Amino acid sequence: DVVMTQTPLSLPVSLGDQASISCRSSQSLVHSNGNTYLHWYLQKPGQSPKLLIYKVSNRFSGVPDRFSDSGSGTDFTLKISRVEAEDLGLYFCSQSTHVPLTFGAGTKLELK
Amino acid sequence: QVQLQQPGAELVKPGAPVKLSCKASGYTFTNYWMNWVKERPGRGLEWIGRIDPSDSETHYNQKFKDKATLTVDKSSSTAYIQLSSLTSEDSAVYYCARSGVGYVLAYWGQGTLVTVSA
Repeated sequence: DVVMTQTPLSLPVSLGDQASISCRSSQSLVHSNGNTYLHWYLQKPGQSPKLLIYKVSNRFSGVPDRFSDSGSGTDFTLKISRVEAEDLGLYFCSQSTHVPLTFGAGTKLELK
Repeated sequence: QVQLQQPGAELVKPGAPVKLSCKASGYTFTNYWMNWVKERPGRGLEWIGRIDPSDSETHYNQKFKDKATLTVDKSSSTAYIQLSSLTSEDSAVYYCARSGVGYVLAYWGQGTLVTVSA
């Protein structure tokens, strides 16, 4: 199975800060069709995960442009340009290039 | 809008099976794969498998191949997961999640909390 390693596991921030979360996969996430199926989700306490970014750099419907991603192959970074209160929660990276789909352990974005 | 409705909780005795439902609305049910994901505190998220509602083709995580069975009822736009021979290790929240492009989990239900207890 592809192991997804996120760092850091906890990220204390102040509102308005920029935040970066790293995700590394144990195998390349480039599919044979040339696409890279790396995605990011946000889960708030008591809620189900919500899709933020799919296929590395595509923001899902309604996701503000302060969220962006970069990376390729096995190394990816989610950036939040100016953290707002609604951005706090648990961030997961996930891959769907290989079966089974796998998830990172999660990065908790919280206030300092 | 896409909605996936799941019961909030199920209490099940050890050794018994359970069948969880996920009723879809707001889109054409047969056009998108449906996934199931397990969440346990401190254990993160585990993908169980997915089913194509148009023809019931399934893909399973090998880890859950003997534990979970995925089915659908097209007439009611409902997906099901049956879990067999439950133990304490099966106590978890189970989410259904509809696929999007590239098998991304685009929409999630609220999850069903399964508690295995005598």
